[in-house]
Amino acid sequence: RKEVEQDPGPFNVPEGATVAFNCTYSNSASQSFFWYRQDCRKEPKLLMSVYSSGNEDGRFTAQLNRASQYISLLIRDSKLSDSATYLCVPEGAAGNKLTFGGGTRVLVKP
Amino acid sequence: NAGVTQTPKFRILKIGQSMTLQCTQDMNHNYMYWYRQDPGMGLKLIYYSVGAGITDKGEVPNGYNVSRSTTEDFPLRLELAAPSQTSVYFCASRIRGTQETQYFGPGTRLLVL
Repeated sequence: RKEVEQDPGPFNVPEGATVAFNCTYSNSASQSFFWYRQDCRKEPKLLMSVYSSGNEDGRFTAQLNRASQYISLLIRDSKLSDSATYLCVPEGAAGNKLTFGGGTRVLVKP
Repeated sequence: NAGVTQTPKFRILKIGQSMTLQCTQDMNHNYMYWYRQDPGMGLKLIYYSVGAGITDKGEVPNGYNVSRSTTEDFPLRLELAAPSQTSVYFCASRIRGTQETQYFGPGTRLLVL
């Protein structure tokens, strides 16, 4: 099993709609999780950190299910500017590096 | 703070040439990383460092070398460039400890012909 698995998408989302996607991870010892956003040809940037069961920041909600070892990201009221690739990142076992998933591509259309 | 800076932004190399990609951070972060990202693909870890004088291999280290003589700098060396090394290279840094996020530089686009 890969350390981190994400549906590559793309998820085609009408503007204003809600989209959600999951990320599964294999290391049950991971304590911290991050969602990064990466725009085309740009560096990844932190979107949200998740340390307990979940986190909410405006239109973005992350939920962690430790029993099933997955973390989800939900985007409400999608904007055109939400079009990007979303990278799921659990902290590695030793805590000295992060493991990046391949990303889920989201395309928000008018 | 400038954060993580990388130079050059873009470079074209001929097969067999060598070059050094520079990475500097001014946040006094212990950990630094080098990734490569091929078109349409995810990030692959090349090398990382947990402090000055300490480096370790990541997932795809072949064809690359690194050094970490100071906390601020983490250069990546390509000795004999090959077309397979055409990619975007991202440097990142992170402070030691759990629950700490990682900050990326803007990337270096490398084309090997």
